[in-house]
Amino acid sequence: EAGVAQSPRYKIIEKRQSVAFWCNPISGHATLYWYQQILGQGPKLLIQFQNNGVVDDSQLPKDRFSAERLKGVDSTLKIQPAKLEDSAVYLCASSTEAGTGLYEQYFGPGTRLTVT
Amino acid sequence: AQSVSQHNHHVILSEAASLELGCNYSYGGTVNLFWYVQYPGQHLQLLLKYFSGDPLVKGIKGFEAEFIKSKFSFNLRKPSVQWSDTAEYFCAVNAGWGGATNKLIFGTGTLLAVQP
Repeated sequence: EAGVAQSPRYKIIEKRQSVAFWCNPISGHATLYWYQQILGQGPKLLIQFQNNGVVDDSQLPKDRFSAERLKGVDSTLKIQPAKLEDSAVYLCASSTEAGTGLYEQYFGPGTRLTVT
Repeated sequence: AQSVSQHNHHVILSEAASLELGCNYSYGGTVNLFWYVQYPGQHLQLLLKYFSGDPLVKGIKGFEAEFIKSKFSFNLRKPSVQWSDTAEYFCAVNAGWGGATNKLIFGTGTLLAVQP
C-alpha cells in the first residue's frame, strides 16, 4: 500500500513570502492531520480534517496559516506571510477514521521549511 | 492541558545493552498511548500502542512498553539494543476516544545512538 505523500520535501523562502505544502493521504483514509515539528520538539497538531470538514484547528495560527482539503482527499497547507519562527518540518498524517479508539496515524516524510 | 514528558533527551548505548526510555503523561482520564520511532532519513513509524487490556504491550523489533496507570507512565524497553535501533523515539498520548478529535500529544523525543 502506498504511504502518505508530501511535496515539496524541502523549501527555503524569505520572511514575508508565502509557501504551500501538499499532502496526499493513504487511499481510503478519511482523516488527515497536519503537524508542525520545530527542531528539538515533538510534532504539534495544527489541523485535523475528517473527510473535507475541519475537526480541530485550535492550534492553527489562523492569521497566517490556512489549510483546505477539497473533495476529502488531497490537502494543502499554506503560510502567508511566513515568519522566521515558522521554520520547521511540516508533517502530514492520515488514519482510517478518528473516534474509534483503534486508529493508527500514518505519517508522510514531511516538508522541511527554512525561513530566512 | 495534556502533556507528555520524556526524561531522556539523548541516550548513548553500546550494542547488546538494555534500553529503557521514560515517558510520563498528565491526564487523569482514559488514555491511548503510543511510541513512534523515526530512523535517520525516514518518516515517523508506529512502534507500539496501548489502548486497553494487558498493560504490557509488545511492538515491532523486540520493543515493549508497560503502562503503569498509578504512575502515569508508559516506559519503552528493549532487552538488547542493536546498532540499527539508532533513531529518535517519541512518546505520544491521545486522551479519550469515541470523540471526533483524536489528536496526538507528543513528547519532545529521545535521540538514541547505539555504538557498535
